[in-house]
Amino acid sequence: NAGVTQTPKFRVLKTGQSMTLLCAQDMNHEYMYWYRQDPGMGLRLIHYSVGEGTTAKGEVPDGYNVSRLKKQNFLLGLESAAPSQTSVYFCASSSNWVFRDRGRISNQPQHFGDGTRLSIL
Amino acid sequence: GESVGLHLPTLSVQEGDNSIINCAYSNSASDYFIWYKQESGKGPQFIIDIRSNMDKRQGQRVTVLLNKTVKHLSLQIAATQPGDSAVYFCAEKKTAGNKLTFGGGTRVLVKP
Repeated sequence: NAGVTQTPKFRVLKTGQSMTLLCAQDMNHEYMYWYRQDPGMGLRLIHYSVGEGTTAKGEVPDGYNVSRLKKQNFLLGLESAAPSQTSVYFCASSSNWVFRDRGRISNQPQHFGDGTRLSIL
Repeated sequence: GESVGLHLPTLSVQEGDNSIINCAYSNSASDYFIWYKQESGKGPQFIIDIRSNMDKRQGQRVTVLLNKTVKHLSLQIAATQPGDSAVYFCAEKKTAGNKLTFGGGTRVLVKP
């Protein structure tokens, strides 16, 4: 059980280049998320998906696009990379936030990958 | 505004002592809170969570306290070990929605 796997782990791009970051999860989670983490800051949500074929904007969506063609995969694309997009990108997945089991309700935490370190020159 | 923040950016603690990491939140509509631990080069790792209908929850060596009156969340680590050295983030989820809002993080340094 690998959990959440991100590829690549590192990448250097030139300004204007495009690339796609891949996130795969093997936990059959409905929800998936892309965050960026900058020095001295917490994680900021870029885009997220509540199910296959659906995506939604997060806090900082500009300059990024996403696709969720398969339940287990969530792709993050940079169409024209800019130096401001230099960051560490984390993918996460979670089950439904409200889980009912024998009348008990519990939330499910997000599980994170180990990140993609992206530098744009 | 809607934000989650931390009082102490860096916490130095002696090995074996207890650690307390604090977090203030401003969104009274939040109903679920999580603490994550992030080691260098790794993604955030789930530690413990708590729903807004509780004020305390305990795990293995960790306790989370929630004070809704003053919108304050804390993580207590008992008998801090060198392996506890990391950055700790609190996060909140609003009642409506599936998104988390993260605080800026506190670095915990364990001194031998």
